[in-house]
Amino acid sequence: GESVGLHLPTLSVQEGDNSIINCAYSNSASDYFIWYKQESGKGPQFIIDIRSNMDKRQGQRVTVLLNKTVKHLSLQIAATQPGDSAVYFCAEKGKSSASKIIFGSGTRLSIRP
Amino acid sequence: DTGVSQDPRHKITKRGQNVTFRCDPISEHNRLYWYRQTLGQGPEFLTYFQNEAQLEKSRLLSDRFSAERPKGSFSTLEIQRTEQGDSAMYLCASSVGQGETDTQYFGPGTRLTVL
Repeated sequence: GESVGLHLPTLSVQEGDNSIINCAYSNSASDYFIWYKQESGKGPQFIIDIRSNMDKRQGQRVTVLLNKTVKHLSLQIAATQPGDSAVYFCAEKGKSSASKIIFGSGTRLSIRP
Repeated sequence: DTGVSQDPRHKITKRGQNVTFRCDPISEHNRLYWYRQTLGQGPEFLTYFQNEAQLEKSRLLSDRFSAERPKGSFSTLEIQRTEQGDSAMYLCASSVGQGETDTQYFGPGTRLTVL
């Protein structure tokens, strides 16, 4: 079945360093991927997305890379700040549904001062 | 604030009681979604509406769960005869409903605790 998974459940990064959060997906037919950030007690917040016809997309301090050959997705956060502390989810727009999003289990990012 | 809003934010109930949650989507968003999230996991899709029509329901949505969006604006999710396993965060999201990407924006969630 479809699944989206993450390599590491937790990631600790020094403030000011770059963070890289990885994600593997299993459905080769997926064509749309999204990264969400979820802070404690809040709903997921959209960060950035990418279509399968692209391999890189940049936003403000964030970059998403897509490698369809190995079905791997990553989120890079430049100059990590304390406010970046959260759980990050990669998610896939299910091919079998026009709207359903399939989420992975998340990576918790913590920032060391 | 013109984001997705949910009410209540927290609900504690006893097993066997019925509960109802409300979601107000972003104005003029045609699609509205319900997800459930348990601790340490990502949200799981429950159901979605295109305007007032409920177009898809997950197998997670047992017959004790019912969702409505009568006027195509706000939505309610009711859980009848609650069980301890229903304890979770219930998230609502909305989207414009156009295009293949059609970004979903989430509300703050309603945390349900069933005693």
